[in-house]
Amino acid sequence: KAGVTQTPRYLIKTRGQQVTLSCSPISGHRSVSWYQQTPGQGLQFLFEYFSETQRNKGNFPGRFSGRQFSNSRSEMNVSTLELGDSALYLCASSLVGLYEQYFGPGTRLTVT
Amino acid sequence: DQQVKQNSPSLSVQEGRISILNCDYTNSMFDYFLWYKKYPAEGPTFLISISSIKDKNEDGRFTVFLNKSAKHLSLHIVPSQPGDSAVYFCAAGGRDDKIIFGKGTRLHILP
Repeated sequence: KAGVTQTPRYLIKTRGQQVTLSCSPISGHRSVSWYQQTPGQGLQFLFEYFSETQRNKGNFPGRFSGRQFSNSRSEMNVSTLELGDSALYLCASSLVGLYEQYFGPGTRLTVT
Repeated sequence: DQQVKQNSPSLSVQEGRISILNCDYTNSMFDYFLWYKKYPAEGPTFLISISSIKDKNEDGRFTVFLNKSAKHLSLHIVPSQPGDSAVYFCAAGGRDDKIIFGKGTRLHILP
């Protein structure tokens, strides 16, 4: 089985711009979650989607949004980028829920 | 307020010895606990989990111990191998369907 894939792997954006990251889960997995990893804060949960519905959300501002398509692929959008949004964004998938997730390699976003 | 804490940012252990990684939590409502391992430039990989109703779970060289009264869990790796050098994340989840990760501990296995 192919693993979780994320595109792009690296991205450089300017403050104020917006960005869309993409995630393809493992085939058959219906739950997709997004995380932000920074050196100071570790891994922080952004949100989880299941069957195209956002099921859960972490403590991030509304500039962070996402969606899931009928094929379980998911996108994450960050609007009005700030310098502090520079991080590794990880996507994870599972059959259901947040238990035993499989992570993708991440997208490294740098905001200048 | 950090609900899941990994107080040691790094740990060095001799190859062949036991590695013990620790994790403390504050929320007694957590239902399950997970350990993930992360190599540079890769996403975290699920290692082992434990339900809140158990106090020990073993999988090969990896054992997780849960002490609910102390709100503490630990991951034991025996014997430690060079490929175990990585960052280890402890995570906890509950019925509110949220998951909280610790900040990670970098494990160095010394030859």
